[in-house]
Amino acid sequence: DTEVTQTPKHLVMGMTNKKSLKCEQHMGHRAMYWYKQKAKKPPELMFVYSYEKLSINESVPSRFSPECPNSSLLNLHLHALQPEDSALYLCASSQVPGEVYGYTFGSGTRLTVV
Amino acid sequence: DQQVKQNSPSLSVQEGRISILNCDYTNSMFDYFLWYKKYPAEGPTFLISISSIKDKNEDGRFTVFLNKSAKHLSLHIVPSQPGDSAVYFCAANNAGGTSYGKLTFGQGTILTVHP
Repeated sequence: DTEVTQTPKHLVMGMTNKKSLKCEQHMGHRAMYWYKQKAKKPPELMFVYSYEKLSINESVPSRFSPECPNSSLLNLHLHALQPEDSALYLCASSQVPGEVYGYTFGSGTRLTVV
Repeated sequence: DQQVKQNSPSLSVQEGRISILNCDYTNSMFDYFLWYKKYPAEGPTFLISISSIKDKNEDGRFTVFLNKSAKHLSLHIVPSQPGDSAVYFCAANNAGGTSYGKLTFGQGTILTVHP
């Protein structure tokens, strides 16, 4: 298995909703990442998990809450989002924290906040 | 401050010809570079990478060149095929630092290969 799987592929949520994005990989990678990509912009890093511990939070608002329950799974919990948070949310993983060997992205979740 | 720049928003080439995509960076701490291909509403797909200890890496139709003194890299695709039409992102990493695998992306270049 050489894939990063993200669910759901599309999500529409209201500003008062609570939802979660899910990311899964079974490549034995020990680093996992969340990126956000707005239209016509490059992906921007949000969070990095190394060995299931949060290593980097790129000053992301608290309405985004990441969670790494085990080495294969990464969640992004969403609460009280704003319309400007609408974007493609990408999960990625790499073999060893701090290195980019085998850096693989999932297909993303297209999030629309209404 | 944009540390990775792709100054050409778009590039159009004829099938069979060479496509050259360029990327410049300003952070001298970057020591590993990657190229990704991306279709709309999909995640980036890894193409090829290069370490700063090399000046060239080749994989099939794809070759990446790195000029450290100029802080410039380029991706050559030969021969170009219509299926290569996509957005191409250059990304950089400071593997020797405390970036924890953070990739910094350029703005992307839209490549269109005409039959």
